[in-house]
Amino acid sequence: AQSVSQHNHHVILSEAASLELGCNYSYGGTVNLFWYVQYPGQHLQLLLKYFSGDPLVKGIKGFEAEFIKSKFSFNLRKPSVQWSDTAEYFCAVKDSNDYKLSFGAGTTVTVRA
Amino acid sequence: EPEVTQTPSHQVTQMGQEVILRCVPISNHLYFYWYRQILGQKVEFLVSFYNNEISEKSEIFDDQFSVERPDGSNFTLKIRSTKLEDSAMYFCASSPNGYGYTFGSGTRLTVV
Repeated sequence: AQSVSQHNHHVILSEAASLELGCNYSYGGTVNLFWYVQYPGQHLQLLLKYFSGDPLVKGIKGFEAEFIKSKFSFNLRKPSVQWSDTAEYFCAVKDSNDYKLSFGAGTTVTVRA
Repeated sequence: EPEVTQTPSHQVTQMGQEVILRCVPISNHLYFYWYRQILGQKVEFLVSFYNNEISEKSEIFDDQFSVERPDGSNFTLKIRSTKLEDSAMYFCASSPNGYGYTFGSGTRLTVV
């Protein structure tokens, strides 16, 4: 199974700052990549996903992610965060021939007004 | 938008007791999953279920755990004899095709 690394445990930033969260997975092959967000007290929600095609993926709420196959990376970005982006963000990877998602440890993002 | 529903949202149980966590997946989905997240740790895969049988399970999913889809709508996770270390948030997920997942809001299990 994939091992997924998220580089930052906790990120604190001010509104309107740019956000980038790193995600790397352990080995190549055909993978499906996901970013989920978990707002306080709520369920995991899909922000965006990559299966194939354009490696720059746009998701909901102004988020985007870039798949760089050579670096086994799928970093999440948002140019200008809002207070409502305060949440925990999880990167997840699925091998195309597997049933399960492997999750990273998550990054807590705190946006200060 | 269709949702995956989990009940209860929070369950407290005594060590050694059996618990059943319930999930109602999205109605036309065919693949069902349980994941858990111990406080401060990663979300971990427990089991996947397809065509009325377990398709994959993790090392965590030992003989104390079982899953059922008893009536075609509910998908349950049973823990026979709970241990303190079973305390976690348990997430159910479903998928129409094994690729896109919808997660429920989770059941927080506290074993005391």
